[in-house]
Amino acid sequence: GEDVEQSLFLSVREGDSSVINCTYTDSSSTYLYWYKQEPGAGLQLLTYIFSNMDMKQDQRLTVLLNKKDKHLSLRIADTQTGDSAIYFCAEKMGQGDDKIIFGKGTRLHILP
Amino acid sequence: EAGVAQSPRYKIIEKRQSVAFWCNPISGHATLYWYQQILGQGPKLLIQFQNNGVVDDSQLPKDRFSAERLKGVDSTLKIQPAKLEDSAVYLCASSLVDGQGGDEQYFGPGTRLTVT
Repeated sequence: GEDVEQSLFLSVREGDSSVINCTYTDSSSTYLYWYKQEPGAGLQLLTYIFSNMDMKQDQRLTVLLNKKDKHLSLRIADTQTGDSAIYFCAEKMGQGDDKIIFGKGTRLHILP
Repeated sequence: EAGVAQSPRYKIIEKRQSVAFWCNPISGHATLYWYQQILGQGPKLLIQFQNNGVVDDSQLPKDRFSAERLKGVDSTLKIQPAKLEDSAVYLCASSLVDGQGGDEQYFGPGTRLTVT
């Protein structure tokens, strides 16, 4: 089946690191993505990782992929108020099906 | 570079009425997507066009939803007749090539539809 699961809420103090977790079911997924959605706006691609990689770092963002456990995480270092948004995990299906399946999103709340 | 444009931004209709949404993708982008995002959920792909041809419409409720992309540029999504469960944000996205690999999808701001 096609399913992407993530926790719905996360609260983090400003300046701390945020870690958003995601699990997926399709072992043939080719790419995994993290999108950010701010209120009233569309989705913005933050980063993506190819399924044969286990880590990708881009400035304050670190993506970790455990393909064996089908677990993806996004770490945001030095979390700022501007990071407050909903973060969606998504997987691109494999085996010729290029559809992207999104999770329900994790709402990140920044505490002062 | 202008982003993906959508209109209207908001629409309120009664059930059984019809509604149409419009999307103008980023210039030069071959692939266009329509997603439905119900409150509290992630986007769900309704239809994907490459140029003016349909690549995937497996999740489009074809008894009431239709979409077209004439001339391979702008697209319209229509619902006729609308049901209460169609209340959602309808997102349009475009990508340069065909969504392969890390080819980024750029999203518009969406149209929020409320069916009463």
